[in-house]
Amino acid sequence: QLQLQESGPGLVKPSETLSLTCAVSGGSISSRTYYWAWIRQPPGKGLEWLGSIYHSGSTYYNPSVKSRVTMSVDTSNNHFSLNLSSVTAADTAVYFCARRGPNWDFQFWGQGALVTVAS
Amino acid sequence: QSALTQPASVSGSPGQSITISCSGSNSDVGGFNYVSWYQQHPGKAPKLLISTVSNRPSGVPNRFSGSKSGNTASLTISGLQADDEGTYYCISYTSSNTLEVVFGGGTKLTVL
Repeated sequence: QLQLQESGPGLVKPSETLSLTCAVSGGSISSRTYYWAWIRQPPGKGLEWLGSIYHSGSTYYNPSVKSRVTMSVDTSNNHFSLNLSSVTAADTAVYFCARRGPNWDFQFWGQGALVTVAS
Repeated sequence: QSALTQPASVSGSPGQSITISCSGSNSDVGGFNYVSWYQQHPGKAPKLLISTVSNRPSGVPNRFSGSKSGNTASLTISGLQADDEGTYYCISYTSSNTLEVVFGGGTKLTVL
């Protein structure tokens, strides 16, 4: 069974960079079938797709964060990462990593990581 | 404001059936059969219920069903159970050249 696990600091200061990693186990991140995505959920609000990355490194970003976001993939260690720069309180959210299938669905999700932006 | 429109809340009694709608456009829901539905309980990750409009992944009870008509997709839950209470989201592929997928704002289901 595929499992995803987010990790990273739970508290980030305003204007700094939020960095999270998603470890994938039970399957290869190099699979040609899947993309790997980051999705966030501000407290009490809905879901927002941030972007997706393929094992080759090709990326698709949400325009709402495109100028601040960088995603990368490490096939050797079977994980992928999210960097979000110049964060503000509006970036406070639970950040999920997920596997995006060929039918544009997200069957596997991490448990989520709460990141709070505060000084 | 979400790209796909869902009702903010629905409710039903145990054993009843409810339907949640997800309205989009020709660029997403209406143009492609890539609509999926998710259930989220508080503090948990979303769980995939329905893929490609009407297909249930292994392990999802057949009480959950999906359909689509025009630019609106629907999720129907029959035989409501207490554990069905939670928030439901729809997601669709979009032909937008800036986004991959678009999300609904979520519908809070209360089992009375």
